[in-house]
Amino acid sequence: NAGVTQTPKFQVLKTGQSMTLQCAQDMNHEYMSWYRQDPGMGLRLIHYSVGAGITDQGEVPNGYNVSRSTTEDFPLRLLSAAPSQTSVYFCASSYVRTTGYTFGSGTRLTVV
Amino acid sequence: AQTVTQSQPEMSVQEAETVTLSCTYDTSESDYYLFWYKQPPSRQMILVIRQEAYKQQNATENRFSVNFQKAAKSFSLKISDSQLGDAAMYFCAYLNTGNQFYFGTGTSLTVIP
Repeated sequence: NAGVTQTPKFQVLKTGQSMTLQCAQDMNHEYMSWYRQDPGMGLRLIHYSVGAGITDQGEVPNGYNVSRSTTEDFPLRLLSAAPSQTSVYFCASSYVRTTGYTFGSGTRLTVV
Repeated sequence: AQTVTQSQPEMSVQEAETVTLSCTYDTSESDYYLFWYKQPPSRQMILVIRQEAYKQQNATENRFSVNFQKAAKSFSLKISDSQLGDAAMYFCAYLNTGNQFYFGTGTSLTVIP
């Protein structure tokens, strides 16, 4: 049981490049979400999904896209990376929304 | 939008002593959930404890307990018999009816041997 797997763990991008952060869970969780963590600001919700084919925006969705074609996968796409997107990104999942989310180990992204 | 406030950026406690971390939140909802997460230097987010707003009884998990004051919109975490492994950043989080999580800015806890 791998839990929530995020890849890559570290990434450096140049301004304007695009990339996809991968997130997969093997717990058959319906609820999945993406957060970014910046110093002094806690975690902020980017996008979330309540099931395959259903996604919605969180607090800070600009510059990011998501899709949920399967229950297991919830990739986060950066369309045109900007230095302001330098952050640590966490993916999380939950079977029932009220039980608390299981988090991945995070991706540290640096945009130069 | 809901807001979660952790007014203590840093706290310290002697090993084996008790420490309380504060959290307040702002909401107009009546049905919501509150959580405390721990983030050690490894960066992994670990669920410590959860509380349903409709339950008056305070949640407890071994050495961790909460003081949930719904009218005051307060949700503090008490750690008893503090251990070195408790040293971490602690985040208070609010889950609303729209399935959106709001996190506080965190409290860094140091445990002094």
